[in-house]
Amino acid sequence: DQQVKQNSPSLSVQEGRISILNCDYTNSMFDYFLWYKKYPAEGPTFLISISSIKDKNEDGRFTVFLNKSAKHLSLHIVPSQPGDSAVYFCAARAMNRDDKIIFGKGTRLHILP
Amino acid sequence: DTAVSQTPKYLVTQMGNDKSIKCEQNLGHDTMYWYKQDSKKFLKIMFSYNNKELIINETVPNRFSPKSPDKAHLNLHINSLELGDSAVYFCASSQDRQGAWETQYFGPGTRLLVL
Repeated sequence: DQQVKQNSPSLSVQEGRISILNCDYTNSMFDYFLWYKKYPAEGPTFLISISSIKDKNEDGRFTVFLNKSAKHLSLHIVPSQPGDSAVYFCAARAMNRDDKIIFGKGTRLHILP
Repeated sequence: DTAVSQTPKYLVTQMGNDKSIKCEQNLGHDTMYWYKQDSKKFLKIMFSYNNKELIINETVPNRFSPKSPDKAHLNLHINSLELGDSAVYFCASSQDRQGAWETQYFGPGTRLLVL
């Protein structure tokens, strides 16, 4: 049962353009959402997060948007840079505070020169 | 200076063997985790320890036994390895178990292949 879905396994974007990575979730109890970035042969690293009481959080080139009614969030990267090529995992945590983070399958982002 | 380290990075072994993966963090964190990323790329939590106490134990076969000798170490021992255990295992740590999810630091992963 995939509670966090990233339906695009990969995405290619031209350098300098906007990258938009999408994530859908099914559990209405999720109250906190995170994006992690992963390079090959390394562990995931935290990128940006958003609480369910907000609909937008921005950090430099990275912005996460949350649409609770649609149970959808997206990560925008603008402008995209070569170093952004990586796998991006969407993750969520539920209100029952059992400390678990549920991860999506990831989307591989390729930034094209 | 490595924050979360795992050994070995690669592990190839025969079915039925017993193996251990070690994890150490030098961040002074109280909570450590083991995650499994399977062939379908899902990253799922297996265990979590807080100050050497088990706090999360997902539905994992009891062939998997975590051991935390101190709060800087969380080792994973796997008995009677099966083909389906082939995966990448990530160790992670965080400052505490409440609220600091964004500061989970992951190790580089251990790629286990069971033949």
